[in-house]
Amino acid sequence: GEDVEQSLFLSVREGDSSVINCTYTDSSSTYLYWYKQEPGAGLQLLTYIFSNMDMKQDQRLTVLLNKKDKHLSLRIADTQTGDSAIYFCAESDSWGKLQFGAGTQVVVTP
Amino acid sequence: EAGVTQFPSHSVIEKGQTVTLRCDPISGHDNLYWYRRVMGKEIKFLLHFVKESKQDESGMPNNRFLAERTGGTYSTLKVQPAELEDSGVYFCASSQELAGGNEQFFGPGTRLTVL
Repeated sequence: GEDVEQSLFLSVREGDSSVINCTYTDSSSTYLYWYKQEPGAGLQLLTYIFSNMDMKQDQRLTVLLNKKDKHLSLRIADTQTGDSAIYFCAESDSWGKLQFGAGTQVVVTP
Repeated sequence: EAGVTQFPSHSVIEKGQTVTLRCDPISGHDNLYWYRRVMGKEIKFLLHFVKESKQDESGMPNNRFLAERTGGTYSTLKVQPAELEDSGVYFCASSQELAGGNEQFFGPGTRLTVL
């Protein structure tokens, strides 16, 4: 089974907030990441959080980390049509080896 | 600054044939990673180079896969002979250093289809 799990699909209306959830298993992970993949493109790093932090905010993006429950979430405020993409949660070991979830397809509707 | 590039963007081959994928990392990036996404599942780690040395190849599926990074610049991933289950999107990523978040920059991927 997957070590990093996330829901596969999220539909959200333009202007609303999106919340994408992820659970991971490796408590020794130093960093946790959110990547975005648009059609035909590679993965783009959106944001990352150091494991000793609870929250990180970057403009419209808010990352929440609950280490006790090994739960990571990404909130996108005021979701726009350009936010439609696949979002991947990932954890890494000390050598940077990333372990990804299966990705959440976010569809933004007008 | 040019990003990570991969060639070809698409490859369609028959079972039993050989395919070689190429990755050009960002200049100066010592770390180079290969990943694969099969049939819409999670992206799986294949291996990690530090310069020309293989730091971790624990994700390589079997001995039909051979990765090289001669001279510590570009890397190739050869699949010989290809099987149906090798179909997927192969991503390459590079990073400059491991500290401070180790931001990996990804290429657009090579979509491999084995018929």
